[in-house]
Amino acid sequence: AQSVSQHNHHVILSEAASLELGCNYSYGGTVNLFWYVQYPGQHLQLLLKYFSGDPLVKGIKGFEAEFIKSKFSFNLRKPSVQWSDTAEYFCAVDISNFGNEKLTFGTGTRLTIIP
Amino acid sequence: DAGVIQSPRHEVTEMGQEVTLRCKPISGHNSLFWYRQTMMRGLELLIYFNNNVPIDDSGMPEDRFSAKMPNASFSTLKIQPSEPRDSAVYFCASRIPRTGLGNEQFFGPGTRLTVL
Repeated sequence: AQSVSQHNHHVILSEAASLELGCNYSYGGTVNLFWYVQYPGQHLQLLLKYFSGDPLVKGIKGFEAEFIKSKFSFNLRKPSVQWSDTAEYFCAVDISNFGNEKLTFGTGTRLTIIP
Repeated sequence: DAGVIQSPRHEVTEMGQEVTLRCKPISGHNSLFWYRQTMMRGLELLIYFNNNVPIDDSGMPEDRFSAKMPNASFSTLKIQPSEPRDSAVYFCASRIPRTGLGNEQFFGPGTRLTVL
């Protein structure tokens, strides 16, 4: 079965610092990849997704992610974080294969931005 | 569109009571997912439906949990009897039919359940 690993459990950064959150998945076939964000007390919202084409995808709020197939990775980046980016970030994988409709989520990375 | 609607938003109940959580997916979405989120276990998929049919309920923790989807616009998750360890935030999510475009799931606001 596919799995998703987010190695950073809690990241603390100062405002304006650059961000990179790691995400690795284990599945050898075609995948769709997602990053979701959960602001404190709120539900999950989609930041960005990759399903085909350009491996560098841009999402909302200045976030981007790069799909590197050879490394089974889909790391999330932002060049300059803001206090409002404080949230929990979840990477998820969906194997592109009818019959398996589930998203497999990573355990999440809590991001704290210090003003 | 109003998005995924869940009710109630908060539920406080006593151990042993029956709890029913409700979800209305986004119109036109044919897949519906129930998740549970806790600090200890993170985000867990409990069950999902395609076209109102339960496809995978392997995440349902035990027989006290049951879920139904009587029609395309309504689903329930029931816990009977409830226990303190069921305290969590329960999310419902829905998704449009697969198009090969990486269809994402849309999450509802969640129901925060506290079992005393």
